[in-house]
Amino acid sequence: QKEVEQNSGPLSVPEGAIASLNCTYSDRGSQSFFWYRQYSGKSPELIMFIYSNGDKEDGRFTAQLNKASQYVSLLIRDSQPSDSATYLCAVHTGGFKTIFGAGTRLFVKA
Amino acid sequence: DAGITQSPRHKVTETGTPVTLRCHQTENHRYMYWYRQDPGHGLRLIHYSYGVKDTDKGEVSDGYSVSRSKTEDFLLTLESATSSQTSVYFCAISPGVSNQPQHFGDGTRLSIL
Repeated sequence: QKEVEQNSGPLSVPEGAIASLNCTYSDRGSQSFFWYRQYSGKSPELIMFIYSNGDKEDGRFTAQLNKASQYVSLLIRDSQPSDSATYLCAVHTGGFKTIFGAGTRLFVKA
Repeated sequence: DAGITQSPRHKVTETGTPVTLRCHQTENHRYMYWYRQDPGHGLRLIHYSYGVKDTDKGEVSDGYSVSRSKTEDFLLTLESATSSQTSVYFCAISPGVSNQPQHFGDGTRLSIL
């Protein structure tokens, strides 16, 4: 069974700190990796995607991919209370299949 | 925001009744998906479509059927609803499958009593 694992949290960080969210996946053939943010009662919203090993930065967000270790992470710099949400890791494993993790709840304290 | 509209947004119905959820897109994307989201399980794929009249099963397809007669519309039907199908249902679309993120509609909260 192909899996995507995330710590459910909650992860609590003070305002202005760096939040680090991690995700591991089981299928070594996975090629595309996505991070979604989901506010309570709302739909998932794409915030980052990464395809190659290394770091990819977009504003306050940095996605990191290490295919050898089969993990992908999301760093949020200068965390704000508005970043408080559940973050979903998604892994495209091939064909039409994208596996979603159950998500990590992030709470940013003002 | 991706032009995806789900209807209804909320529905309460009784066990054994048929239910149809609609997903309408204005992006002309080829691929459409139906997911359910339950606490602790993340998003799980029910069915997907790769073109008009072209559909296939996902990992949790039992008890569900789909139809796609037009590019813009993807319908999910629960033939005889059961309490285990109480969930939040999301439709998603993408222009391709490789290296293409999916974008989600606002969801339908379905309660089956």
